[in-house]
Amino acid sequence: AAGVIQSPRHLIKEKRETATLKCYPIPRHDTVYWYQQGPGQDPQFLISFYEKMQSDKGSIPDRFSAQQFSDYHSELNMSSLELGDSALYFCASSNERGMAKNIQYFGAGTRLSVL
Amino acid sequence: AQSVAQPEDQVNVAEGNPLTVKCTYSVSGNPYLFWYVQYPNRGLQFLLKYITGDNLVKGSYGFEAEFNKSQTSFHLKKPSALVSDSALYFCAVRAFNAGNNRKLIWGLGTSLAVNP
Repeated sequence: AAGVIQSPRHLIKEKRETATLKCYPIPRHDTVYWYQQGPGQDPQFLISFYEKMQSDKGSIPDRFSAQQFSDYHSELNMSSLELGDSALYFCASSNERGMAKNIQYFGAGTRLSVL
Repeated sequence: AQSVAQPEDQVNVAEGNPLTVKCTYSVSGNPYLFWYVQYPNRGLQFLLKYITGDNLVKGSYGFEAEFNKSQTSFHLKKPSALVSDSALYFCAVRAFNAGNNRKLIWGLGTSLAVNP
């Protein structure tokens, strides 16, 4: 079965650079979530989109932005990167109208290292 | 405020013994409760959920969890642990009456180590 696809798997950037992380949800899933997970930390919710509209906002810094496109893929744009942005970034998707609603399925994550 | 507590940072259990990973929650309204497992450098995998119905829910890999409303708990259990169960386990909650708010509130995770 198709899963959530994230790209790239690994990304190395320098301070003050920008980064774009991509997420391709499971087909027919209508909701996408972004999480940040630091070493030894629980996932921190950043932002979510339902049917291409922002549905909830968490602890996403102002330097970050995200959007969901017409094909339902989502991108997390990160600017003015700081050392503290080094983390695993997870995308998850769910189908809020289907039998398995409320279950978030996670991608493998993008490991961002800011040097 | 909504919150999830996993009181144990680490749980150690011998292979073949039963295991319990604890989770308590605080949420207004009826909770949706979830357990996820995370293997090293991997994404989180859904294990099981409680929405409504029987308090004992069964999930993947032989895991089950019991919803206890009076104790606001949702402990994860397995009758016989395997070494391959060693991983990081996260409990999460979403309030039922949160409107369009679909975000999950996460516990800090419990590292389970199953010893051969």
